[in-house]
Order: sequence, then structure tokens, then C-alpha cells
Amino acid sequence: EVQLVESGGGLVQAGGSLRLSCAASGFTFNTYDMHWVRQATGKGLEWVSGIGTAGDTYYPGSVKGRFTISRENAKNSLYLQMNNVRVGDTAVYYCARGVYSETYQNLMLVDYWGQGTPVTVSS
Amino acid sequence: DIQMTQSPSSLSASVGDRVTITCRASHNINNYLNWYQHEPGKPPKVLIYGASSLQSGVPSRFSGSGSGTYFTLTISSLQPEDFGTYYCQQSYSAPALTFGGGTRVEI
Repeated sequence: EVQLVESGGGLVQAGGSLRLSCAASGFTFNTYDMHWVRQATGKGLEWVSGIGTAGDTYYPGSVKGRFTISRENAKNSLYLQMNNVRVGDTAVYYCARGVYSETYQNLMLVDYWGQGTPVTVSS
Repeated sequence: DIQMTQSPSSLSASVGDRVTITCRASHNINNYLNWYQHEPGKPPKVLIYGASSLQSGVPSRFSGSGSGTYFTLTISSLQPEDFGTYYCQQSYSAPALTFGGGTRVEI
């Protein structure tokens, strides 16, 4: 059974740092792209970072330069280092697995999600 | 970054109604578009992938269409279990992804 378990969330002051972790199990971790997606209260899903199997990383403009995604395949773990956080980063952060479609080349779906870890940034 | 814009942001409909949600991409994404249903307390679930292919196990009342920059998700006959928030997601720039802002469907 695929499981993704996040940890590391909490309360942090604006300008501070936080490191989120995601422990993965039930699948061959090093063969999948992984992502962090967040959801602020009453808002929609927002993709905040992705990492490929080769360690290549991707970010939207809203977090580029402040967040760093990394993976440790030997530990089946995904991380998100959040620096210089802002009040607007307050959200529940989900670890998620990306899978490529067997039908369409390079079409990526998000097929498994963790339960999320809450991050609150105070001013 | 590719931006995804959904409309409407919310809607209220009755059981049996036909419901259509639209999603527009800021750039041509061909058919690299997926739709998800998100119910409170549950993880998002894939409904449609590749703009128009029905995910296994998803009822046939759900359908998707479109290509390029304009896409639609249609529920042909709304059922009580269809409440929740629907999101489009582009993967043209995968692994960099983008979700639409969501459409909340109330029964």
C-alpha cells in the first residue's frame, strides 16, 4: 500500500525557516517524480515544487529562491526547505506522487497524496 | 509559468442537472490536461486525463473535452455524491505542474 506521511509543520515567524519531511513507503521511491502541493484555508490547490528521479527541481515563481525541494532515495524521503517564509505561505502542505500516463507520453498525473502537515506563518 | 484559470469559481445545481466547468491555459498545452475531484477530508481523485480520457472506475457521466488553451469538464447528470471542488491541472511543463483555482460544486 502506497503511503506518504508528512511531518515538520508548525508555527514559524515571517522571515524564518522550516523544513518539511515526507516518508514514503509501498512503492519504489526512486522511480517516481515527487511534489509538494499546498492548500490555504478556503483556497485551492497550489503546486509549490517538484523533483524528478534524477534530482532535477522545479518551482513556481511564488516560491522560487525561497523553497528548496530535495530527496534522499536511500531513506525513501522527500523534503521541503522553506526559507524567508511569508504570511502568505500559511497552508497545509501535501506530499504527492507524480506518475506518467501509459497512454500519453509526458502526461503527468498526481495519483497519491499524504494527509498533509499544517504550516502557519505569523507576522 | 503556465497559468490555469477556471470558471465559475462556484456553482449550485440540482440532482440531474448538466454541469459544465471550463479551464483556460495561458499557453498552448495541447492535451496535457487533467481533472480532479476533491472532497473535504479526502485526497484529490483523478477523473479525466489527457483532456478527454476517463480514468478507470470513474462514472461515465463525467467527460472532458478541449485542446490547446480551452478545456471543459462536463457532468451529464449531477448526482448527490458529486459535490466537492473540481480542479484542472496542466502537465505540459511536467514535472512543473499548475492547478486551476478550483470550482466548488454544491448540490
